[in-house]
Formats: sequence, structure tokens, C-alpha cells
Amino acid sequence: EDKVVQSPLSLVVHEGDTVTLNCSYEVTNFRSLLWYKQEKKAPTFLFMLTSSGIEKKSGRLSSILDKKELFSILNITATQTGDSAVYLCAVDDQGAQKLVFGQGTRLTINP
Amino acid sequence: ETGVTQTPRHLVMGMTNKKSLKCEQHLGHNAMYWYKQSAKKPLELMFVYSLEERVENNSVPSRFSPECPNSSHLFLHLHTLQPEDSALYLCASSQRAGASYNEQFFGPGTRLTVL
Repeated sequence: EDKVVQSPLSLVVHEGDTVTLNCSYEVTNFRSLLWYKQEKKAPTFLFMLTSSGIEKKSGRLSSILDKKELFSILNITATQTGDSAVYLCAVDDQGAQKLVFGQGTRLTINP
Repeated sequence: ETGVTQTPRHLVMGMTNKKSLKCEQHLGHNAMYWYKQSAKKPLELMFVYSLEERVENNSVPSRFSPECPNSSHLFLHLHTLQPEDSALYLCASSQRAGASYNEQFFGPGTRLTVL
């Protein structure tokens, strides 16, 4: 059965800190891994990763995939209070034509 | 309007009521999805429609009945729900189901409370 596990489940840091969020997966037919940010209701897309070792970057956020060890990390540097959200990791199962989501990491940035 | 819209945003219903959730996407996508998000649980995929044909049904109870009249609209008909069905119901769309690029765009969700 497909499985996506995120850690930690909850993280509280101070503004300016750097955080690393983890996502490990077991999927039958891996196609891609996606990161989403969910603040209030609708998750918004951050990154899609398909190849190992290639870092995707957007401002203070970056992410990398390791297809050998079956995990991905999401880094946020110089965190701001606006980064407070639930970060969701999802893996695209090619055979099942669906995204399998992890439980999410709730990140809280204190001023 | 742009993106994915959902109505209503909030819904409170009794166990004997019948109601429907509506989703509309303005992105020209061909695949649409219903997800359920309960507190402290991962997003659960309920239904997938591709070109208006259901391609996935994750063993969802029959009290949830989806309808996809065209590629832009998706409904979730609800009847005789249980209190444990209270959750956030999210609709999403993507260019195609099973495509190599499967970024899904989400709607704002309907917060459902079953009394």
C-alpha cells in the first residue's frame, strides 16, 4: 500500500530560523513528489520533483529529492511569520493515477 | 472568476438531510477530484473524474454520490450522513489524470458539519 510519512508533525521556531521538513515515501510506481502549503483552506502548489539530486528553489524555499533513499526535504531559510502553515507532501503514483498525501507538518513561526 | 471555486464554503446539516457540494474549475482542465480532510489525518482521495468519467473510487460509502456533468463542474451529493463525516471537503483539478505533470489546483473547500 502506498504510504507517505512526514516529520516532524509539528514545529515551532522563531522568525529568522531555518527549518527542514522531511517526507519519506513508499509508492509502487513513483512518478513525482509534490510539496504544497496550506494556510487556511486550499493547499497551494510549491514544487514538483521528479529527478534525484536536483534542487528546486523559489526565494527562501528549496527542495530536493532522493529517489534511492525515498525521501525529500523542504528547506525554508530566514523564516517569516507568513511561513506559518501546514506543509503537505504528496507522491504521484503513476499506476494508480492519484496523489497520496502525507499527514502534513504544522509549522509555526513566532515573531 | 479564476481557478477552482467551491460552494457553499460552510454547511451544517442533520443526518437526515440531503445536500450537494459544488465545484467549478475555470482552468480548462480535464480531471477533477474530491478529497476529504479530517482533523489530524492526511488528505483522503474520494473520487477522481477524467474527461467526465469516474476513474477512481476509493471505497467511499454510498452516502456520498459524485456527479460530473462536464469537465468544468463536479458535484458531491450527500444524504444520510454521519457525524464522523464532518470534515473539510476539497475539490481539485489538473490538466489530466495520470499525466506526467500532475499538479493539482485546489479550491477553498467546504467545511461540513453533520449534527
